Amino acid sequence: EVQLVESGGGLVQPGGSLRLSCAASGFTFSSYWMRWVRQAPGKGLEWVASIKQDGGEKYYVDSVKGRFTVSRDNAENSLYLQMNSLRAEDTAVYYCARVTQGGSDIWGQGTMVTVS
Amino acid sequence: DIVMTQSPLSLPVTPGEPASISCRSSQSLLHSKGYNSLDWYLQKPGQSPQLLIYLGSNRASGVPDRFSGSGSGSDFTLKITRVEAEDVGVYYCMQSLRAPITFGQGTRLEIK
Repeated sequence: EVQLVESGGGLVQPGGSLRLSCAASGFTFSSYWMRWVRQAPGKGLEWVASIKQDGGEKYYVDSVKGRFTVSRDNAENSLYLQMNSLRAEDTAVYYCARVTQGGSDIWGQGTMVTVS
Repeated sequence: DIVMTQSPLSLPVTPGEPASISCRSSQSLLHSKGYNSLDWYLQKPGQSPQLLIYLGSNRASGVPDRFSGSGSGSDFTLKITRVEAEDVGVYYCMQSLRAPITFGQGTRLEIK
C-alpha cells in the first residue's frame, strides 16, 4: 500500500526545536519531490517546504526560512523537517505529501505541533 | 507571490443539485509547456486533503466523474454536477507554477 506516515509532533515551548519525520512506503521514494504543508487550527492549508528527489533543491515559505530545514534519506525512505526557533504561529498540523506533475496525490495523516 | 482567491467561501447545496467554485490567480498559471499548474483538493472533516483535479482539468485516480475542472490562465472553476452528502468538506485550489506554492482560502461546502 502506498502511504506516508508522519511522526515527531508534540508540545514545545517557544524558541524550542522539533524534528518531524515522514516514513514513505509502497512506492519508489527517491523518484519524487516531496513537500510539507501545514494547517493551523481552524485555518487553511499553507505550503511550508519542498525538496527535490536528490535533496539538491529545497524551497521554503518565507516565514520559516532560516528556522526550518527540510531533508530526506532516500535509503531510509524518509522525509524530515527540522524546526528550530519555534513560534506560537508555527502551531499546526503538519502534513507530508508526495509531489507529481499531477499534483500531490499522496498525503500523510498529519502530526500536530503545538508551540506554547 | 501568486495570490489565489476562491469564491464563494461558503457553499450550501441541496443534494442532487450542482455546485461551482471559482478560483482566480493574481498571475497566469499557464506553464511554458502548455499546461496550467493548478490543482484542486478536498479536505473532508477530520481527514487529510485529497487530490481531486490536477493540471486544471484532469481528474485524479478514483475521483467520481461528477467532479470536473476547467479554466486556463488565471481563471479556474471546479464543478460538481450533482452534489452528494459525501462531498462535504473544504475545497482548496493550489498553484504550483512557482514558489512559494500558494493555496486559496478554501470553500466550505455544506449540505442544506
